[in-house]
Amino acid sequence: DAGVIQSPRHEVTEMGQEVTLRCKPISGHNSLFWYRQTMMRGLELLIYFNNNVPIDDSGMPEDRFSAKMPNASFSTLKIQPSEPRDSAVYFCASSLGDSNEFFGPGTRLTVL
Amino acid sequence: KQEVTQIPAALSVPEGENLVLNCSFTDSAIYNLQWFRQDPGKGLTSLLLIQSSQREQTSGRLNASLDKSSGRSTLYIAASQPGDSATYLCAVRRRGSQGNLIFGKGTKLSVKP
Repeated sequence: DAGVIQSPRHEVTEMGQEVTLRCKPISGHNSLFWYRQTMMRGLELLIYFNNNVPIDDSGMPEDRFSAKMPNASFSTLKIQPSEPRDSAVYFCASSLGDSNEFFGPGTRLTVL
Repeated sequence: KQEVTQIPAALSVPEGENLVLNCSFTDSAIYNLQWFRQDPGKGLTSLLLIQSSQREQTSGRLNASLDKSSGRSTLYIAASQPGDSATYLCAVRRRGSQGNLIFGKGTKLSVKP
């Protein structure tokens, strides 16, 4: 298995633009997590899905953030409109039940 | 609210030393605890997972312990190598198997040859 796949790896955009981050979890995993990592706040959970259903989105900072999981093999995290304070590394992770979470390589987002 | 603290924030040791990384958490009602490694510009790699009913887990030169009642975990690295240089993160999963992981901010380890 290729592991968790995220795209793009790097994204530079201007304030106000829409940003879409993509994730392909490990095949067979039934939980998917979106995290954000910054120097100030460390690694924070934004939202997680179980069997494609959002279970906890309390970490989503604002209505500008939205996440979808239309099927078991794909998820998106969208920021619209983006702001400079959204600059961070966004990680997707997946797991099977309560076993180890496997992390993707992350998307480094810079909003100018 | 669960908070996870890791001390020290950074640590530099000469190659060959044994070392201990510390993690503390405020709410002992955890489901499990994990130690991760993060290399610069990369994602996280799970090193060890300790269930709440366990006291320790070992993998090669790594040994993680868990004292749930005192809210502490340690990661022991034996005979450190330059390749061990990375940031080590501790995370706890709250009780209930669907609970999300709460992360500490990590300890940045540098092993000098």
